[in-house]
Amino acid sequence: GAVVSQHPSRVICKSGTSVKIECRSLDFQATTMFWYRQFPKQSLMLMATSNEGSKATYEQGVEKDKFLINHASLTLSTLTVTSAHPEDSSFYICSARLTHTDTQYFGPGTRLTVL
Amino acid sequence: GQQLNQSPQSMFIQEGEDVSMNCTSSSIFNTWLWYKQDPGEGPVLLIALYKAGELTSNGRLTAQFGITRKDSFLNISASIPSDVGIYFCAGAMNRDDKIIFGKGTRLHILP
Repeated sequence: GAVVSQHPSRVICKSGTSVKIECRSLDFQATTMFWYRQFPKQSLMLMATSNEGSKATYEQGVEKDKFLINHASLTLSTLTVTSAHPEDSSFYICSARLTHTDTQYFGPGTRLTVL
Repeated sequence: GQQLNQSPQSMFIQEGEDVSMNCTSSSIFNTWLWYKQDPGEGPVLLIALYKAGELTSNGRLTAQFGITRKDSFLNISASIPSDVGIYFCAGAMNRDDKIIFGKGTRLHILP
């Protein structure tokens, strides 16, 4: 149980384009999902908290107009990187929190490369 | 702000050895979590701890929630090659809080 999927697993795009990443909780409902960014050999950096049916909460320094988050259902959150640039290249990981617990289950990650 | 200090940063051990790593925080946590991350993958939950003093095992892994609520350790017994990876501790103060991650312990097993 507690499986989280992400799609796509890898994406390569041209500078200036937008990229959408999906995060799904497959066997449980998640009112809260989280989006992280991870640089090579570093820990996970929380970008934003996504709450079903309401606006996402962004961490300090994360541009909400750059990283659009939509949590339209209890099993799906999407992250759209708008007007991507090479510095946005990174490993993006989502997680879903099991309701009424602190435990987060992570997706397999999406490797974004912006040319 | 809250910080988690995880040590050691990296470990080089022989196959079959036991491993110990720990995390300390500047604040009290009410939940401690231990994750393992393989290259190019998302973190996988190993053990979740919810009570001070709690000692929990998952196969060859054992983790404890420190009595002071400011620390936790993870032990791996009789290491095998597939234990290689990065281990992250994570903590949360209150239910529904975001969790704070340590910087990870990178485990290497020497041939």
